[in-house]
Formats: sequence, structure tokens, C-alpha cells
Amino acid sequence: EVQLVESGGGLVQPGGSLRLSCAASGFTFSDYYMDWVRQAPGKGLEWVARSRDKASSYTTEYAASVKGRFTISRHDSETLLFLQMNSLKTEDTAVYYCVRDLGGGKEVVSGDWGQGTLVTVSS
Amino acid sequence: DIQMTQSPSTLSASVGDRVTITCRASQSISSWLAWYQQKPGKAPNLLIYKASSLKSGVPSRFSGSGSGTEFTLTISSLQPDDFATYYCQHYNSYPLTFGGGTKVEIK
Repeated sequence: EVQLVESGGGLVQPGGSLRLSCAASGFTFSDYYMDWVRQAPGKGLEWVARSRDKASSYTTEYAASVKGRFTISRHDSETLLFLQMNSLKTEDTAVYYCVRDLGGGKEVVSGDWGQGTLVTVSS
Repeated sequence: DIQMTQSPSTLSASVGDRVTITCRASQSISSWLAWYQQKPGKAPNLLIYKASSLKSGVPSRFSGSGSGTEFTLTISSLQPDDFATYYCQHYNSYPLTFGGGTKVEIK
């Protein structure tokens, strides 16, 4: 069974930093694209970042709203996905979800989501 | 960036109704489209990928169609468990983007 468990959320002041983690299990982690998606309170879904699979050399993509501030990385031997968030803004307040392949990585889209971790940016 | 526009934003329906949600892309995305269902306080669940492929385990009352710029999600006979918010999402290019959502409410 695929499991994705996020951690690391919390309250942080504007300009601060936070690192989110996603512990993955139930599949060969290095074979899959991994994504972060966020959802501000009462709002829709916004894709944040992608880490491609080992076959694609773990290359990355970012939404314009976070490029230069957020960094996605992974530790395949420990099947962990990370999102390092720097220079946080109040508009980054959201539930952050770890997702196994939002599409484009394999013919069959996985679309497995974790339960999310809440990040609140406020003074 | 490719913009995804869903309509309607809210839909009121009764159990047993046939429900159709539309998603339009600002440019062609071939069939690189997914549909998700989200209930309050929960993560989204994938229903459909590649515009019309049903994810394993999803009830057959859900179906998707379309290609290019216009897509639809149809629920053939609405069940009590289907009252939720539905999102489309393209994966044709970066950035990946979602539609604004369609909330299906009880009439």
C-alpha cells in the first residue's frame, strides 16, 4: 500500500524558513516523479514543485510563485522527499501535500496524496 | 501558462441525477488531463487521468471525455458519497495547473 506522510509544518514568521518532509513507502521511490501541491485556507489547489525520477536525473521544476525561494530534494535511500522553504511570505500559508506523480512521469498516473501538513506564515 | 477554467463553480443536484462538469484549457493539452474529488478536510483523490482513463478502484459511474481544450467529467447517477468539490488538472507542460473547482451540493 502506498503511503505518503508529511511533517514539518508549523507557525513561522514572514521572512523565515521551514523544511517539510514526506516519508514515502509502498513503492520504489526512485522510479517516480514526486510533487508538492498546496492549498491555501478555503482556496483551490496550486502545484508548487516537482522532482523527476532517477531515470530523469532527479531534475526539478517550480511554480513561478516559489522559484528562487523553495527547493525540492529527495533522499532515495531513506525514501524521503523534502521541500525547503525560505523567505516565507504570508501568502505561502497553506496545507502542503506530497503527491506521487501528478502526471507526465508514467503512462498510468499514480495521483497518490499524503494527508498534508499546515504551514502558517504570520507575525 | 495554461489556464484551466471549470464550470459551473457550484452545482446543486439530487441523488440519482446525471451530473456534468466542464473544464476548458486556454490552449491545447491533448489528453493530458486529470480529475480529482476532494472532500472537506481531506486530500484530493484521483478519479480520471489521460482525460478518460478511470483510476483503478474508482466507481464506473464516473467517466471523463474530451481532448484538446474542452473536457467533461460525468457522474452517471449521483450518490450521497459524491457530494464534494471536483478539480481538473493538466499535465501537458509546466507549470502544472488546476481548475478553480466545482462544488457539488445537495439540492
